[in-house]
Formats: sequence, structure tokens, C-alpha cells
Amino acid sequence: DVKVTQSSRYLVKRTGEKVFLECVQDMDHENMFWYRQDPGLGLRLIYFSYDVKMKEKGDIPEGYSVSREKKERFSLILESASTNQTSMYLCASSFRLVGGLPSSTDTQYFGPGTRLTVL
Amino acid sequence: DQQVKQNSPSLSVQEGRISILNCDYTNSMFDYFLWYKKYPAEGPTFLISISSIKDKNEDGRFTVFLNKSAKHLSLHIVPSQPGDSAVYFCAASPYNTDKLIFGTGTRLQVFP
Repeated sequence: DVKVTQSSRYLVKRTGEKVFLECVQDMDHENMFWYRQDPGLGLRLIYFSYDVKMKEKGDIPEGYSVSREKKERFSLILESASTNQTSMYLCASSFRLVGGLPSSTDTQYFGPGTRLTVL
Repeated sequence: DQQVKQNSPSLSVQEGRISILNCDYTNSMFDYFLWYKKYPAEGPTFLISISSIKDKNEDGRFTVFLNKSAKHLSLHIVPSQPGDSAVYFCAASPYNTDKLIFGTGTRLQVFP
């Protein structure tokens, strides 16, 4: 079974703090993703990485950075937390599609999420 | 601009009846579509998918239909069970990319 773990289920931070969210996967997936989920907005992609040390911006990268030093680990960093970053953060991983149409094995597998509250 | 839309934020269905969840998309370059299910305090889990070369895919009680000309897909659950109560997200993948674009979700409640 694919396992994606996130370092914390709940976090409370203060405005201006630097926040690290960690994600680890055990399936040797090339791709890793960070999303945030907000009511009425669904899941929005913040950043993703398709290889070690590689990263690409998603739809809402402002205020965030990422780090991928090892294949199994993908970190999301809030350099200076703000109240509008209060959200549910979800990490996901998947195999890299090498060509052709995807199949059900190419889906993204999600961690349990981190509920971050910034006061 | 929301490329994947789920216009019904919630749906309530009686146990044993059919649940139909709908999803519309705008980008004709999407070639793979998925449905995820999410319980509170858990991450989304993959439910069923369909590629753009098909118009139907079935897995047990779950069937996904794709109408490419209308840029519409739907998820049918029959019969619905109380354990199906969750938020359902549809997602679409643009051609030759590993990214997913998610809809806003529909909360399904199945009551006895």
C-alpha cells in the first residue's frame, strides 16, 4: 500500500513565523505535490516536484517555497506566515507519466493533511 | 478561471437510490479524468477514472460517464450507501502532464 505521511495533523502558528510542513512517501514516486484545500475553492496546487531538486510553481505559489533534497521527502515552507494561509494542506505523490494515456495506477496518492491555523 | 467546475456544492440522497454527481470542464486538452472521495480529517482517496478515449468506466457500484462534446462528466453511485457520505472531487489532467486540476467538490449525504 502506498503511504504518504505528513509531519503534523494540526499546527497553530503566529503571524510572521516561519513554518515547515513535511511530507514523506514510501512508494519511490517521482512526483510530489502540495495543495491547499479551502471551502468553496476545492484543492489548489501550490507547488510540485517531478524529481529531486526540481520544482515547478502551481496555481498559487505566492508566499510559499518548497524543498526536495531527497526523493521521498517534499517540504513546504511558509517564509512568513499570514492569516490568509490558514488552511488544510495536503501532500500527494505519483509516478511520473512517461508517455501514453494514464491509467489508474498513475493517480495521485494523498497524505492525511495538516490543518494549519495562523493567528 | 475555474477550468473544472462542480456546480452543486451538496447533494442529499436516500439510501439505496442513485447518486449522480456532475462535473463540467472547459479545457479541451484534458485527456484523463478522475474522481476522488474525501472524508473529514482525511486526505482524498482515488475512486475511479476515465480516459478521453472512453465514454464509460464502471467499477462495482461506481460508474463514470464522459461526454466530450459537452465537456461533461458524471459519477453514478448505485445503490447509494450511508458510507458513501463524503465530499467528492472531480479532477482532470491536461495532455502530457502529471498535474491534476480539481473541481470545488460536492458534499454527498446519504440518509437512511
